[in-house]
Amino acid sequence: AQSVTQLDSQVPVFEEAPVELRCNYSSSVSVYLFWYVQYPNQGLQLLLKYLSGSTLVKGINGFEAEFNKSQTSFHLRKPSVHISDTAEYFCAVTPRFSGGYNKLIFGAGTRLAVHP
Amino acid sequence: DGGITQSPKYLFRKEGQNVTLSCEQNLNHDAMYWYRQDPGQGLRLIYYSQIVNDFQKGDIAEGYSVSREKKESFPLTVTSAQKNPTAFYLCASTSRREISPLHFGNGTRLTVT
Repeated sequence: AQSVTQLDSQVPVFEEAPVELRCNYSSSVSVYLFWYVQYPNQGLQLLLKYLSGSTLVKGINGFEAEFNKSQTSFHLRKPSVHISDTAEYFCAVTPRFSGGYNKLIFGAGTRLAVHP
Repeated sequence: DGGITQSPKYLFRKEGQNVTLSCEQNLNHDAMYWYRQDPGQGLRLIYYSQIVNDFQKGDIAEGYSVSREKKESFPLTVTSAQKNPTAFYLCASTSRREISPLHFGNGTRLTVT
């Protein structure tokens, strides 16, 4: 079975400052990893995903994440945040070759609050 | 524009009543999913369907039912047997290709009093 831990439930940050949202996972098999963003009262949008290859993946809106297999982490970073980045961010994993998203496991979410 | 439409956006019901949440997609996706979102708990899978006329229970299916009579539609019924139905419900879909993107609707917020 897989599990996902997002280490911070809330992250306050000032505009134009860098931010890191932390995600650790547990799995006995190889996994695919994802970050999703959710704006208030909306569905989730895919920010980025790690499937294979380079451990540094770039996503939309200037976000990037680094897969660290030895530490089983997939932290999300942005060098300079905007007010519009205020949202909830979810880390998720699914086993490779599981045949679909029926085994997608989400973390509890991190609420990013960007202040002027 | 292609996408997923969930309706209504807000829904209020009295305890003991069944209620059906609508989910329609025009993305020609084969697979559809229902998730429940509660504060501080992330998303949990209720039911999923990978093909018309077939669906499977997810992690928290008790008190819910679904149907998949058409490729475009995957309605979710919250029955009176669901002990704690107040939540935000999200529908999603994807093609059957391995790890194609998961598209989400904008959700339905159900309040049961």
